[in-house]
Amino acid sequence: KNQVEQSPQSLIILEGKNCTLQCNYTVSPFSNLRWYKQDTGRGPVSLTIMTFSENTKSNGRYTATLDADTKQSSLHITASQLSDSASYICVVNGNAGNMLTFGGGTRLMVKP
Amino acid sequence: NAGVTQTPKFHILKTGQSMTLQCAQDMNHGYLSWYRQDPGMGLRRIHYSVAAGITDKGEVPDGYNVSRSNTEDFPLRLESAAPSQTSVYFCASSYPDRENSPLHFGNGTRLTVT
Repeated sequence: KNQVEQSPQSLIILEGKNCTLQCNYTVSPFSNLRWYKQDTGRGPVSLTIMTFSENTKSNGRYTATLDADTKQSSLHITASQLSDSASYICVVNGNAGNMLTFGGGTRLMVKP
Repeated sequence: NAGVTQTPKFHILKTGQSMTLQCAQDMNHGYLSWYRQDPGMGLRRIHYSVAAGITDKGEVPDGYNVSRSNTEDFPLRLESAAPSQTSVYFCASSYPDRENSPLHFGNGTRLTVT
């Protein structure tokens, strides 16, 4: 069964600190993996996409990594800001037909 | 562009009542889908459509109906609501023929069934 597991479920950090969120998947075949940010009361918004051939990709203070051999991805947030407080959702696309498997998300709280 | 618009934002239903959740997109996306989001669980797809006139079942379709008469609109109907349908519902759109196209989500409808 295709599964996406995210850890930790929740995380509290101080403003300015770094953090790393993990995503492990068992989806096969693999097409791509995308990280979404979901602010409270809003829909998820795409942060970055990782395809099979990509190991690292940055989007501002967000850096995503992908290890397709071990089926793991991480999202690293540098110099956190209060606005980073949100849920982060890992979504794996198993093929070209919009067959998506969603992780349960990591809820991040950044405190001043 | 407004993107994906969902109405209403909040609603309370009694068991057995019916209602329609509205979804409209103005990005000319062919793919539209409905998800429900429950605490501790990932988003689960209810129904989806790749083009007007074509709909299909997702992971959790029971108790829900959809129709797609045009490109823009994709309403979700609950014929006889049950407390188990208390959830936050999201509509999402994308280009169906572009493998790396992201989903564009609306801001959700929070539905409570009492």
